[in-house]
Amino acid sequence: GAVVSQHPSWVICKSGTSVKIECRSLDFQATTMFWYRQFPKQSLMLMATSNEGSKATYEQGVEKDKFLINHASLTLSTLTVTSAHPEDSSFYICSASFAGTYSNQPQHFGDGTRLSIL
Amino acid sequence: KNQVEQSPQSLIILEGKNCTLQCNYTVSPFSNLRWYKQDTGRGPVSLTIMTFSENTKSNGRYTATLDADTKQSSLHITASQLSDSASYICVVSEYYKLSFGAGTTVTVRA
Repeated sequence: GAVVSQHPSWVICKSGTSVKIECRSLDFQATTMFWYRQFPKQSLMLMATSNEGSKATYEQGVEKDKFLINHASLTLSTLTVTSAHPEDSSFYICSASFAGTYSNQPQHFGDGTRLSIL
Repeated sequence: KNQVEQSPQSLIILEGKNCTLQCNYTVSPFSNLRWYKQDTGRGPVSLTIMTFSENTKSNGRYTATLDADTKQSSLHITASQLSDSASYICVVSEYYKLSFGAGTTVTVRA
């Protein structure tokens, strides 16, 4: 149980285009979803936290107009990288929790999206 | 400075051998500590989760220990298998925020 599906797994696109990444909780309702970014051989860095039906909370240094997050339902959150540039190339990972942010329950991670901007 | 430090950065072991990974943290207040396994190009998968009152937890061949006084944790892998080759990430929770270690890359060779 507790499966999180992320799509697409890999995307290559030209500089200036916008890319949407989907994160779905397949067998549970995700009260809270998290978006992370990971560079090679580095820690996951939290970008933003989103609760269903409310605006996402962004970490310091993350541009909310650049990384648009929508959490319209308890099973789906999307991250849109707008006007992507080569420096946005990274591994983006979502996670979901059915017990909210103040919980000892583990976050369940998707398999990530490898984004390459040419 | 990262509040979660893992060591070693990487290690290579022979199949069937044991190994121990270390995690030191300075996160406070402390809610829980988690160990995740991340295969290359995949998302992390939870191995164990411990609150401050627990000092050991096992999941198959994986055994995690926690010393909340010294703020240290370890992950012991017993009788390693080739499928154990992955990055192991220590994650410390301060209630609403997770702090991630950079991970230890384990390579198991036949």
